[in-house]
Amino acid sequence: DAGITQSPRHKVTETGTPVTLRCHQTENHRYMYWYRQDPGHGLRLIHYSYGVKDTDKGEVSDGYSVSRSKTEDFLLTLESATSSQTSVYFCAISERDSLRNEQYFGPGTRLTVT
Amino acid sequence: KQEVTQIPAALSVPEGENLVLNCSFTDSAIYNLQWFRQDPGKGLTSLLLIQSSQREQTSGRLNASLDKSSGRSTLYIAASQPGDSATYLCAVRLAGANSKLTFGKGITLSVRP
Repeated sequence: DAGITQSPRHKVTETGTPVTLRCHQTENHRYMYWYRQDPGHGLRLIHYSYGVKDTDKGEVSDGYSVSRSKTEDFLLTLESATSSQTSVYFCAISERDSLRNEQYFGPGTRLTVT
Repeated sequence: KQEVTQIPAALSVPEGENLVLNCSFTDSAIYNLQWFRQDPGKGLTSLLLIQSSQREQTSGRLNASLDKSSGRSTLYIAASQPGDSATYLCAVRLAGANSKLTFGKGITLSVRP
């Protein structure tokens, strides 16, 4: 299994509070991604990073920000959580220049906003 | 905009049956296509990756094929087992720098003993 961990694994928070989810990798892969998975929508990309301090938006980026100060860590922040952000969040990594170019996923964080 | 469709959303088969899971995509200018497995409450596990220049990939009882011109991929599972019960997702990556994966919604497979 690719060395990807996510923390916390479960979180319950109240509407309006800030939340930060962490993704940590030990593979030294260049690309990192944050997705959310919801019934009826599948997996949707929130933000991604193609290097340290290099990030870009995905298709559902509103209400989320990210930061990547080190190769191994990619943080996802909900500045003011809303109930619509209740979801399961997955981090993924990819080595852009490798022949196989697969994405490997972390175990997920289940976030509930009450 | 690339759209990825997986039909049906759910499938139930008896153990031992050979089965085919379908995936279709609208933009044929893809870099590669990846099949994943997801068990309930778990993350995604990569099963097979097919580059745009390839026609198929095999891993054990799994065989994935790719027909770019028709915008289709199939995942063939031979001699299905109850342990194959899971959700199977396909995802395509468009050609181009920094391109992202676009996922289908998945097919939930149940293999009955």
